[in-house]
Amino acid sequence: EPEVTQTPSHQVTQMGQEVILRCVPISNHLYFYWYRQILGQKVEFLVSFYNNEISEKSEIFDDQFSVERPDGSNFTLKIRSTKLEDSAMYFCASRAGTGGNYEQYFGPGTRLTVT
Amino acid sequence: GENVEQHPSTLSVQEGDSAVIKCTYSDSASNYFPWYKQELGKRPQLIIDIRSNVGEKKDQRIAVTLNKTAKHFSLHITETQPEDSAVYFCAASLSGFGNEKLTFGTGTRLTIIP
Repeated sequence: EPEVTQTPSHQVTQMGQEVILRCVPISNHLYFYWYRQILGQKVEFLVSFYNNEISEKSEIFDDQFSVERPDGSNFTLKIRSTKLEDSAMYFCASRAGTGGNYEQYFGPGTRLTVT
Repeated sequence: GENVEQHPSTLSVQEGDSAVIKCTYSDSASNYFPWYKQELGKRPQLIIDIRSNVGEKKDQRIAVTLNKTAKHFSLHITETQPEDSAVYFCAASLSGFGNEKLTFGTGTRLTIIP
C-alpha cells in the first residue's frame, strides 16, 4: 500500500536557524497538509495546500513558516528562524480528493529539536 | 473555529473487555469524524471514520456512533487485545468543500491489561 514518506526522521537545529522538512505525498493525491504534535499533546493543524497554493493556515503558521511543492512529488515545510517552541513532531499528510474519500494519510513524522 | 473535547485521557481495561472513548465537537457544520490510533513514536493511522449522514458504523471489533443533535461521537472497541494498547485520537472536519483540515481531540491512552 502506498505511504507518505518524510525526511529526515529527526532534525536537531540551533535557535534562529532555518530548517526544511520534506515530504513525499502519495502519488496522485491532490491535497496536502502539515500538522505538528508537541510531545504528549494533541495533533494540531498547521496548513493545507491544494492546486499549488495554501488553502488554509492556522494561527500557528505565521510568517516564519512557508510551504512549497517544488516539483511533482515533494512537499516541503520551511521554518525560517526556529524558536525553542518549534520543537515538535511534524507530520505531513495527503488526501486523494477524489471519489468522496476524505481519509488523510499521515507520514511517519519528523522530530524537530531546537536547542 | 471547531473545538473537540475527548474523554477519558487514560483508560485501562482488562483484556477481553470493552473500551469506550467519547468526543464532543462544537461546530454543528462538521460532517466527518475519523478516529486515529497512534502507537508510541509512530504515525497516526485511521482505524474508522463516520460521516454525519449515518449514526453508526462498525468494522469487526471497532464501532463508532454519532449523535448529531448532541454533537458527540464515540469509539467502541470490543473484545480488547494487548495490541489495542495505544493512544487514540478523535477528530472532526467539515469535508466536501476542498479543505478538510482535521481538528483533533486531546487523545486517550488506552492500556489493555493482560
